[in-house]
Amino acid sequence: GQQLNQSPQSMFIQEGEDVSMNCTSSSIFNTWLWYKQEPGEGPVLLIALYKAGELTSNGRLTAQFGITRKDSFLNISASIPSDVGIYFCAGKITGNQFYFGTGTSLTVIP
Amino acid sequence: NAGVTQTPKFRILKIGQSMTLQCTQDMNHNYMYWYRQDPGMGLKLIYYSVGAGITDKGEVPNGYNVSRSTTEDFPLRLELAAPSQTSVYFCASAPGRDPYQETQYFGPGTRLLVL
Repeated sequence: GQQLNQSPQSMFIQEGEDVSMNCTSSSIFNTWLWYKQEPGEGPVLLIALYKAGELTSNGRLTAQFGITRKDSFLNISASIPSDVGIYFCAGKITGNQFYFGTGTSLTVIP
Repeated sequence: NAGVTQTPKFRILKIGQSMTLQCTQDMNHNYMYWYRQDPGMGLKLIYYSVGAGITDKGEVPNGYNVSRSTTEDFPLRLELAAPSQTSVYFCASAPGRDPYQETQYFGPGTRLLVL
């Protein structure tokens, strides 16, 4: 299957700081999605990206579809304690199958 | 609107036993998916369906079976449970209609332990 590499694996930041994480692949993807998962729950979709270079925001979250189509980036501005969770990227080449990254665990210290 | 519901929440199986994980959605979504999530890992697609009567294999289908007789239900069957199937199983659904076809709504998961 396809391998999506997410970095960093984990982050410990102070409340109010900005956060950046990314997702890379050796394959070209046509769709990138970003999800957040909290303990004991299923993932929740944050942002969907459909075109190379696309920049999309959802509140304090901004995600970009990389120009090469092999990567995507997620930024969180002015982090708050409720941002804690695991953030997953997911990509689709064609068809209906999405491949998920291994996740970035975010801890926000008040 | 309950969204995507999964039962049971937790189950312990002995090696060789069989069970069915239930998944129901009430959003009239065309697409449904089964994923497994191993500790510290991302989700891997087991099977998916684009409509009643239509199913297809994902990345890790071995050891599992599915059926989709109605729009609402998409059960996942484990015939001969093995320790390698210890995982958290998530069901998801998506509209399957532009422009929101990629928006997958996930259930709360079923935690399965095979001993």
